[in-house]
Amino acid sequence: NAGVTQTPKFQVLKTGQSMTLQCAQDMNHEYMSWYRQDPGMGLRLIHYSVGAGITDQGEVPNGYNVSRSTTEDFPLRLLSAAPSQTSVYFCASSYNSAVGGGYTFGSGTRLTVV
Amino acid sequence: QQQVKQSPQSLIVQKGGISIINCAYENTAFDYFPWYQQFPGKGPALLIAIRPDVSEKKEGRFTISFNKSAKQFSLHIMDSQPGDSATYFCAASYGGATNKLIFGTGTLLAVQP
Repeated sequence: NAGVTQTPKFQVLKTGQSMTLQCAQDMNHEYMSWYRQDPGMGLRLIHYSVGAGITDQGEVPNGYNVSRSTTEDFPLRLLSAAPSQTSVYFCASSYNSAVGGGYTFGSGTRLTVV
Repeated sequence: QQQVKQSPQSLIVQKGGISIINCAYENTAFDYFPWYQQFPGKGPALLIAIRPDVSEKKEGRFTISFNKSAKQFSLHIMDSQPGDSATYFCAASYGGATNKLIFGTGTLLAVQP
């Protein structure tokens, strides 16, 4: 049982490049989310999904796309990287709970855009 | 607009002392209030959580106090230990169909030996 797996752990991009951050969970969780963590800003929600085929925007969605074709995978795409997207990115998943439930986080991807 | 406001930004406590971190929220649609602990280089990990139908929840040395009328909740760490040194985040979830989780800005706790 691996939990939430994120790849890569580190990445350096040039401005304008695109890339996909991978996230996979093996807990059969319905809910998945992407967060970015910046100093003094806490964790801000980028996009989230309530199940396969269903995604929605969070607090800071601009510049990012997501899709959820399977329950297990929830990739995050940076369309045209900008220095402002330098951050640590966390993927998280949670079971279906009618009144909210605890999220399990991956270990993060540290992204630097130069 | 910060939906969950957390204070203080940083906190220094002596070993054996009580650490207190406070959070406030505005949206009454939130119905689940977890606290997460994060060590450097790691992802956040769920520490303890409370629902608005109770005023207090205790797990070991960690206690959440919840004041629904004031829309505030706090984390108390009793007998703080150097191993508790970490960043703590409060959060609030909409629950229901979305289960969206919104975080506070975090508190860096240092417990001095």
